[in-house]
Amino acid sequence: DIQMTQSPPSLSASVGDRVTITCRASQGVGSSLAWYQQKPGKVPELLIYAASTLRSGVPSRFSGSGSGADFTLTIGSLQPEDVATYYCQKYGIVPFTFGPGTKVDIK
Amino acid sequence: QLQLQESGPGLVKPSETLSLTCTVSGGYISSTSYYWGWIRQTPGKGLEWIGSIYYTGSTYYNSSLKSRVAISVDTSRNQFSLKVISMTAADTAVYYCARHPTVTQAWGYMDVWGRGTTVTVSS
Repeated sequence: DIQMTQSPPSLSASVGDRVTITCRASQGVGSSLAWYQQKPGKVPELLIYAASTLRSGVPSRFSGSGSGADFTLTIGSLQPEDVATYYCQKYGIVPFTFGPGTKVDIK
Repeated sequence: QLQLQESGPGLVKPSETLSLTCTVSGGYISSTSYYWGWIRQTPGKGLEWIGSIYYTGSTYYNSSLKSRVAISVDTSRNQFSLKVISMTAADTAVYYCARHPTVTQAWGYMDVWGRGTTVTVSS
């Protein structure tokens, strides 16, 4: 099975900072990569699919890039409401697997 | 607006079987555009995909759980269900149901999630 890793496990940044989270697959997954945001005590919410397609309604400060085995989620200007844990997930071929998450908070 | 709602017991005894149901409202489970899945979340293992089903009854399971899991669909009730046998403390988790769009050739991401239900395994 393909394993997903994320780095860093956590980060603290200031409002307005550009934040980058990395996700790596143990084998190539093409562009079948999604990103989710889970705010404390809430349900995960889809942000991005197909590696770089922003879900309708998601703020444009979020962007995704990458293909194959290496992917990036970028928050262009961190806002207080972005405090959350972010997960990547590979799909397309079962099993669908998630990364361990990156916890983002405000410095 | 599509909503998913999990229902089932919050407490299960070790070795017993967990049965959860996900009720779909605001849309039809028999849509050809979606699969329907179960995911669980634990503090230790994070998010884990359990399995998914199409309205025809076609299923896909995580091999790590496949021998203990069964997912079924009831299109007349707009519901799909999860059964996990031989529950242990390691199965204590928040269980979510979710929708998988199939608009692209590669499916498996989840665009709508239920609120989740906490299941504790304890005697």
